[in-house]
Amino acid sequence: QQQVKQSPQSLIVQKGGIPIINCAYENTAFDYFPWYQQFPGKGPALLIAIRPDVSEKKEGRFTISFNKSAKQFSLHIMDSQPGDSATYFCAARYKNGSSNTGKLIFGQGTTLQVKP
Amino acid sequence: DAGVTQSPTHLIKTRGQQVTLRCSPKSGHDTVSWYQQALGQGPQFIFQYYEEEERQRGNFPDRFSGHQFPNYSSELNVNALLLGDSALYLCASSQNTEAFFGQGTRLTVV
Repeated sequence: QQQVKQSPQSLIVQKGGIPIINCAYENTAFDYFPWYQQFPGKGPALLIAIRPDVSEKKEGRFTISFNKSAKQFSLHIMDSQPGDSATYFCAARYKNGSSNTGKLIFGQGTTLQVKP
Repeated sequence: DAGVTQSPTHLIKTRGQQVTLRCSPKSGHDTVSWYQQALGQGPQFIFQYYEEEERQRGNFPDRFSGHQFPNYSSELNVNALLLGDSALYLCASSQNTEAFFGQGTRLTVV
């Protein structure tokens, strides 16, 4: 059972375009939704994250939109650059009492290519 | 700050063998989690260690075991290796914060 569904599997945009990656979840036991960027041969690096009581969060060129009622969230990359070409993973973190160390459930990933 | 460091970077083992992977958490972090990332897939949670005890576990068989030392570093052990255990093994550390990942250990089972 895939608890976090991510789409599309791959995405190609021109430089300056705005790629959008979507994720959906079903479990209400999640309390935190991060996005990770992964380059080949590297570990995932945290890009931006949001909590379910917020509908939108912006950090630089990256924006998360969160729809709690629909159980969906998405990543937008403004003014995309060739250096943004990587695999992007959405994730959802299980609540773990009062700590912020619940396990992460990842989506299947989206491979983004930004053409010059 | 060196961040999360893992060793070795790459490893080739034969079916049936045992392997130990190592992780040093980011400075100040006391919680270590291990993930398995198969090629083309998202990472899957194996288990988490805190105060030298396994605190959470994912859907992995008992062949996967771990340990955390007093300095918060951790080991992942896999016994009776199968071809399907070939993957990138990721360590993540945290302390009541976001999880920071290491570069991973690429394990190939032949």
